[in-house]
Amino acid sequence: GQQVMQIPQYQHVQEGEDFTTYCNSSTTLSNIQWYKQRPGGHPVFLIQLVKSGEVKKQKRLTFQFGEAKKNSSLHITATQTTDVGTYFCAGNNNNDMRFGAGTRLTVKP
Amino acid sequence: KAGVTQTPRYLIKTRGQQVTLSCSPISGHRSVSWYQQTPGQGLQFLFEYFSETQRNKGNFPGRFSGRQFSNSRSEMNVSTLELGDSALYLCASSLVRGDSYEQYFGPGTRLTVT
Repeated sequence: GQQVMQIPQYQHVQEGEDFTTYCNSSTTLSNIQWYKQRPGGHPVFLIQLVKSGEVKKQKRLTFQFGEAKKNSSLHITATQTTDVGTYFCAGNNNNDMRFGAGTRLTVKP
Repeated sequence: KAGVTQTPRYLIKTRGQQVTLSCSPISGHRSVSWYQQTPGQGLQFLFEYFSETQRNKGNFPGRFSGRQFSNSRSEMNVSTLELGDSALYLCASSLVRGDSYEQYFGPGTRLTVT
């Protein structure tokens, strides 16, 4: 069945540094979602990507969907302490939804 | 407007019992999805309901079931509870507006099975 691998598992950065997390699927996806979850909180939906090669921006966050619709990335420019949390991707293929294991981001002020 | 609400927030049950969790979506949202989150397995999709019909189902045994009512409120039921069912159960409601998709999670129900 479909698998979604997410790397890295952990990332510790100095405030102001950039951060990127990557998701790779074993199968072609119809779409992919990204979420952020703060410690002790519930996931917060960030974005859905649908089109091949799609790039979307939300302030300091840039989301990309690969041309083959099998990989995606989330890039944060100039991290802030408010960016702390775990970032998850979730890929959909034929109504089969699989989450990545998440990347836990910590930011040192 | 009010967010997604889930009840109860915390629950302790014994192995073999059954449990029903409730989710009230954001007003106007007709789609409700359920997820299980555990430290070991991470986030897993359980099922999605739209207009009272199950639209998608994840890879969970038949002990996990759900339904949606005409007011879009949803319930999920787990029968014959096992220790491994201890988890945070999350509900999310979503809305598609043209090309735009938005989804909001509730705070979750923390289920402990002893």
